Amino acid sequence: EAQVTQNPRYLITVTGKKLTVTCSQNMNHEYMSWYRQDPGLGLRQIYYSMNVEVTDKGDVPEGYKVSRKEKRNFPLILESPSPNQTSLYFCASRSERTQPQHFGDGTRLSIL
Amino acid sequence: AQSVTQLGSHVSVSEGALVLLRCNYSSSVPPYLFWYVQYPNQGLQLLLKYTSAATLVKGINGFEAEFKKSETSFHLTKPSAHMSDAAEYFCAVSEAQGGGAQKLVFGQGTRLTINP
Repeated sequence: EAQVTQNPRYLITVTGKKLTVTCSQNMNHEYMSWYRQDPGLGLRQIYYSMNVEVTDKGDVPEGYKVSRKEKRNFPLILESPSPNQTSLYFCASRSERTQPQHFGDGTRLSIL
Repeated sequence: AQSVTQLGSHVSVSEGALVLLRCNYSSSVPPYLFWYVQYPNQGLQLLLKYTSAATLVKGINGFEAEFKKSETSFHLTKPSAHMSDAAEYFCAVSEAQGGGAQKLVFGQGTRLTINP
């Protein structure tokens, strides 16, 4: 089954404690991206990757890092999380430019 | 930069009534337009997409949307609402970004409630 898998689904942590949200897709997609969803703001792109070792900033990259060492994986790293990063996060992937993105089920992060 | 406006953060209709969710995008014609649905505790699921082949686009679950260039709109409709349609709906447009990529620019979302 084609899917985008995120882990963990839920996480409550404290300010400053590094965390990583993993994202893996099994569709051999080249393009992957991370979004955060906040009430009243819809989804906003954090980072994206065109292929292995090719990443770039989206609209709200501050406080986040990503890496793309393998085609299937695109982890989101919060080196020093802060409360304003409390949000619902989605990973997405897509094959070609004309195709819609496939989304994971989301990761709800609470930073206390 | 593209922008998307969804009119009404909450829409409530009776079961069996017409569903109309409004979406307007910024003036330059976008390559692609999408509607996604998000059920509670789930990710986004594609309802339909416009890719310039036809202005009236049919999607899953009986939904359809009409692209109107003159009105810069892409409203989502369903003739008869069902209880299972209760969810949050997002309109999105594609926008070119670096390296030949296309990102999605989302509207704020509309939460649809169905009254029995």
